[in-house]
Amino acid sequence: DIQMTQSPSTLSASVGDRVTITCRASQSISSWLAWYQQKPGKAPKLLIYKASSLESGVPSRFSGSGSGTEFTLTISSLQPDDFATYYCQQYNSHSPKLTFGGGTKVEIK
Amino acid sequence: QVQLVQSGSELKEPGASVKVSCRASGYTFTSYSMSWVRQAPGQGLEWMGWINTNSGSPTYVQGFTGRFVFSLDTSVSTAYLQISSLKAEDTALYYCARGRGFCSSSNCYFDYWGQGTLVTVSS
Repeated sequence: DIQMTQSPSTLSASVGDRVTITCRASQSISSWLAWYQQKPGKAPKLLIYKASSLESGVPSRFSGSGSGTEFTLTISSLQPDDFATYYCQQYNSHSPKLTFGGGTKVEIK
Repeated sequence: QVQLVQSGSELKEPGASVKVSCRASGYTFTSYSMSWVRQAPGQGLEWMGWINTNSGSPTYVQGFTGRFVFSLDTSVSTAYLQISSLKAEDTALYYCARGRGFCSSSNCYFDYWGQGTLVTVSS
């Protein structure tokens, strides 16, 4: 299985900050990566697919980049609604199992 | 609008069985696969597998074989997850999630999710 490692596991930031979360794959997954946001008690919400494609309805302050084994999710100006946990997920067809990163919790500084 | 509505929380004793439902609306049920994802308390997300909503054929990933069964009732656009011989370690939130892409070749991600069903296994 492809292992997905996110860093940091927790991030403290203030409203207006630029925030970057990293996701590393144990082997190349091309651009087959999605990002999700999960708030406490809620289901995950799709933000980004194919590494950099913004899902419809998601604010443009969210962006994704990367390919191969290293990926980033950037929030250009953190808003109060963005405090949540973020997960990456690989969906490379060469792996039999879809796998998620361990999550990055974005907290208020 | 697309909605996936899951059944309510369940409290079960060890050894019992549970069946979780996921009712879809707002789209053609058989046009998208349905996956199940587990989230243990305070933990991350784990893909359990998926079911082909056209053929009804399920695929289970390692770790979710034997006691886990995915099924459908396409007449009511509903997917089901049944877990038998429940153990304490099955205590978790279980989500259904609509697949976009080709889950048949592990090339899909999830664009809509149910609200989750908490299954608690305790004596």
